[in-house]
Amino acid sequence: DARVTQTPRDKVTEMGQEVTMRCQPILGHNTVFWYRQTMMQGLELLAYFRNRAPLDDSGMPKDRFSAEMPDATLATLKIQPSEPRDSAVYFCASGLVSGTSYNYGYTFGSGTRLTVV
Amino acid sequence: LAKTTQPISMDSYEGQEVNITCSHNNIATNDYITWYQQFPSQGPRFIIQGYKTKVTNEVASLFIPADRKSSTLSLPRVSLSDTAVYYCLVEGPNQGGKLIFGQGTELSVKP
Repeated sequence: DARVTQTPRDKVTEMGQEVTMRCQPILGHNTVFWYRQTMMQGLELLAYFRNRAPLDDSGMPKDRFSAEMPDATLATLKIQPSEPRDSAVYFCASGLVSGTSYNYGYTFGSGTRLTVV
Repeated sequence: LAKTTQPISMDSYEGQEVNITCSHNNIATNDYITWYQQFPSQGPRFIIQGYKTKVTNEVASLFIPADRKSSTLSLPRVSLSDTAVYYCLVEGPNQGGKLIFGQGTELSVKP
């Protein structure tokens, strides 16, 4: 089965350091989402892209977070500087959306567990 | 954006049929309903999607009444491995193409 690959799987970093998380969407998928999951807040949508263009990043703290898709095979989420409150599991998901038709579900990666100490 | 409401938790026993109902009163004409399943330490997994009436696949059935203001995910003969969080989502152009997760329903299957 095709899968969404996220790296690293786990990351422990000190407060103030830059963190970069990577996502390789499924080949041929044109839509990518970034989520953050914590026990308190659940799954929060941070940003999403369609055909590599950012469509919405209103859920992302703009002063420290940035999301990009340098090419169709790579999406990145950066935090600079990182803070303890950023500790969470970050998920990437990809899917194919064509016009207004069904997308038949998105595929999620296994996530990056980030701990900021 | 369409808001979904579903029970926070449900308990069941192995072999039983489980029905999880979700309400989405302000669903728009072009929206459709999707359910995801999430196990601990994993990303959500797509289960089933539908627009109206009934949809069935190898994992579950989805029942959507004519007014489409609610939907019911039916899991036949659950096993311990079905213990997970189940999310109901409304998707479509009226949601800005976004995939918004609510709190989900934590299903616990007991032996």
